[in-house]
Amino acid sequence: GQNIDQPTEMTATEGAIVQINCTYQTSGFNGLFWYQQHAGEAPTFLSYNVLDGLEEKGRFSSFLSRSKGYSYLLLKELQMKDSASYLCAVRGRRRGSARQLTFGSGTQLTVLP
Amino acid sequence: DGGITQSPKYLFRKEGQNVTLSCEQNLNHDAMYWYRQDPGQGLRLIYYSQIVNDFQKGDIAEGYSVSREKKESFPLTVTSAQKNPTAFYLCASSRDRVLAGAEDTQYFGPGTRLTVL
Repeated sequence: GQNIDQPTEMTATEGAIVQINCTYQTSGFNGLFWYQQHAGEAPTFLSYNVLDGLEEKGRFSSFLSRSKGYSYLLLKELQMKDSASYLCAVRGRRRGSARQLTFGSGTQLTVLP
Repeated sequence: DGGITQSPKYLFRKEGQNVTLSCEQNLNHDAMYWYRQDPGQGLRLIYYSQIVNDFQKGDIAEGYSVSREKKESFPLTVTSAQKNPTAFYLCASSRDRVLAGAEDTQYFGPGTRLTVL
């Protein structure tokens, strides 16, 4: 089975930097995804990591350490619109012929003025 | 514009009734998925389909049924056997097949919020 842990809530100030952590235990790892989800809306894809290291995409960066079962999402120059839930999802072994994603419960980020 | 559509956005159902949620995609994706999201919880997989006329149970398939008669469409029926159907339902699709990496990212529709009265 798979288990994913991330903090339930975080608060940060506009213009600041925030790091959202995600730890996982999985039987067979095949990639980690970060999604952003505003209240009542669909998750939108932010980043993907399959190899160790940092992937940078504008104000957002994502880091992965497979040996530690650890990832983080780094958000720089926070804006009010970044207030949302951030979901960590791990792709594990194939089950049947499809690739399965297991999602964490999400981290609700509140950006204060 | 390519994308995934779900309808309706809000749905109310009386207890004991079956209801079908629509999901359509024009991304030419092979794989489609249904998830359920409850407050404070992560997404849980209900059913998925990799090709037309084939689908597999996810982690919480009991009380649900699906069909995949067309590549573009993957409707979900919430039956009266589902004991706690009130939730936010999300449909997703991906290219899947033997692709790996970011090319196999799942993209989500806007969701349907189902409330059982």
